[in-house]
Amino acid sequence: SQTIHQWPATLVQPVGSPLSLECTVEGTSNPNLYWYRQAAGRGLQLLFYSVGIGQISSEVPQNLSASRPQDRQFILSSKKLLLSDSGFYLCAWSIVGGDEQFFGPGTRLTVL
Amino acid sequence: KQEVTQIPAALSVPEGENLVLNCSFTDSAIYNLQWFRQDPGKGLTSLLLIQSSQREQTSGRLNASLDKSSGRSTLYIAASQPGDSATYLCAVSRTDSWGKFQFGAGTQVVVTP
Repeated sequence: SQTIHQWPATLVQPVGSPLSLECTVEGTSNPNLYWYRQAAGRGLQLLFYSVGIGQISSEVPQNLSASRPQDRQFILSSKKLLLSDSGFYLCAWSIVGGDEQFFGPGTRLTVL
Repeated sequence: KQEVTQIPAALSVPEGENLVLNCSFTDSAIYNLQWFRQDPGKGLTSLLLIQSSQREQTSGRLNASLDKSSGRSTLYIAASQPGDSATYLCAVSRTDSWGKFQFGAGTQVVVTP
């Protein structure tokens, strides 16, 4: 069966510090991968999606970037965090040709 | 731009009652609609996926219907239990942006014993 991991589970970072969140998927090959952010009182917002290694599409202009160095690894990064980057970050995957998405446990990021 | 609305934002029912959760969307050119459950501080759990060619999907006590022409989906949960307490989200993807979901804000459900 497939599983999706995210770490860390929680993170508290000062403004201006760098960020690296990691997501890995097990039990499937060549998945589509997604990063979402869920801010307090707001719905989920799609940030990035990837259909293959090195292929990243950004949905909204922002202070964040994403990379996919391996088939089942998706990384969310920032060089300098802003207060507005605080939120709950969720990684998701789907099979190629399928649309059902499966989510990881999330990372709670607090920028102080 | 696709907009997804879930009303009500919150709902409280006594145990045993049936739950009816609504999701509406503005653009009927959808590819799929997916219902999720989210417990506090947790990720999303997929409940049901309805493809655009389908009218409903069922899993145990859950039944979801889809009416593309009216831009609506309804999630029914029969004989609610306290363990059904969670936030329920619906998400739709468009035919021209497969895989990119637009989420509603969710309905927070409390089932009281």
